[in-house]
Amino acid sequence: NAGVTQTPKFQVLKTGQSMTLQCAQDMNHEYMSWYRQDPGMGLRLIHYSVGAGITDQGEVPNGYNVSRSTTEDFPLRLLSAAPSQTSVYFCASSYRDRDYGYTFGSGTRLTVV
Amino acid sequence: DAKTTQPTSMDCAEGRAANLPCNHSTISGNEYVYWYRQIHSQGPQYIIHGLKNNETNEMASLIITEDRKSSTLILPHATLRDTAVYYCIVRWNAGNNRKLIWGLGTSLAVNP
Repeated sequence: NAGVTQTPKFQVLKTGQSMTLQCAQDMNHEYMSWYRQDPGMGLRLIHYSVGAGITDQGEVPNGYNVSRSTTEDFPLRLLSAAPSQTSVYFCASSYRDRDYGYTFGSGTRLTVV
Repeated sequence: DAKTTQPTSMDCAEGRAANLPCNHSTISGNEYVYWYRQIHSQGPQYIIHGLKNNETNEMASLIITEDRKSSTLILPHATLRDTAVYYCIVRWNAGNNRKLIWGLGTSLAVNP
């Protein structure tokens, strides 16, 4: 049981490049979400999904896209990276109807230069 | 979602109980109180949650005041591994609303 797996753990991008942060969970959780964490700020929700084929925006969705084609995977796409997107990104998942709290991945540290 | 107020930092001696307070004076009747912690550079870890009643699990106890405007997370015998940032969050638990609003939390230092 791997829980929530995020890849890569570290990434450096040049301004304007695109990339996809991967998130996979093996717990059959319906709900998945992406957060970013910046120094001096709490975690902020980017996008979330309550099941395959359903996504919605969080607090800070601009510059990011998501899709949910399977229950297991919830990739986050940066369309054209900007230095303001330098952050630590966390993926989290949970059951939709049973509230045992979220399981978080170990994070992706992204630097945009 | 209701906002929460927590002290910026706290110290605790190893082996003693750590009591972390949280103020959520604008909480509404159907909002749950959640506690998570984040050990340096790791993903947040769920600890406990509750609505009205006090709760206890293998990690901690959660005491919620009768008016639900504040709560306290208790780590009964703190160890060095409990050094972390502790987040108190309130969230409406219904349907598709899953937007946890995170504050800056309390940085707990457990000292030998």
